[in-house]
Amino acid sequence: AQSVAQPEDQVNVAEGNPLTVKCTYSVSGNPYLFWYVQYPNRGLQFLLKYITGDNLVKGSYGFEAEFNKSQTSFHLKKPSALVSDSALYFCAVRDSGYNKLIFGAGTRLAVHP
Amino acid sequence: DAGITQSPRHKVTETGTPVTLRCHQTENHRYMYWYRQDPGHGLRLIHYSYGVKDTDKGEVSDGYSVSRSKTEDFLLTLESATSSQTSVYFCAISETGATNYGYTFGSGTRLTVV
Repeated sequence: AQSVAQPEDQVNVAEGNPLTVKCTYSVSGNPYLFWYVQYPNRGLQFLLKYITGDNLVKGSYGFEAEFNKSQTSFHLKKPSALVSDSALYFCAVRDSGYNKLIFGAGTRLAVHP
Repeated sequence: DAGITQSPRHKVTETGTPVTLRCHQTENHRYMYWYRQDPGHGLRLIHYSYGVKDTDKGEVSDGYSVSRSKTEDFLLTLESATSSQTSVYFCAISETGATNYGYTFGSGTRLTVV
């Protein structure tokens, strides 16, 4: 069965430092991978996706993610964190059966001034 | 989000009462989904639909039913609400085109069962 793991419940970063939010996946076939962000009391906002092509994917708000097939990972990165990046981040993978999206448990990112 | 709306946005209901949440899309997409979000669990799939009158169970379907009589509407019903169904519910639609593959989520419904 398809699954997604986000091994860190929370990531703490100082403003201006690089950040990484980790995601690993298990899926049969070619993975379709997504990152979403959720700000307090808000819905989910799409950040970026990997479907095919270049392993380094660039998305919204300066975020990027690297698809690593051998390590089955899709880590989210940003070169310089902002306090406004503080939010809940979800990694997700498509289950090809009826296009379902399977989510990780989420990682809370806290960026400190 | 554009093209998908959920109603109501907030609801407080009593244990044992039926509750229906509505998801409406204007995009004419085939696939629609209902998720619930709970701390520590991320979003878990309740039910999904792959066409009018075509629905199936997701990971956490017990206590929920759905209906899709029109392409644009996907209803989630809690037959007899319980406190464990207090959650935030999200509806989603998926775009499956080769160039714009992705998912769009509604703004969510915060349901409290007292």
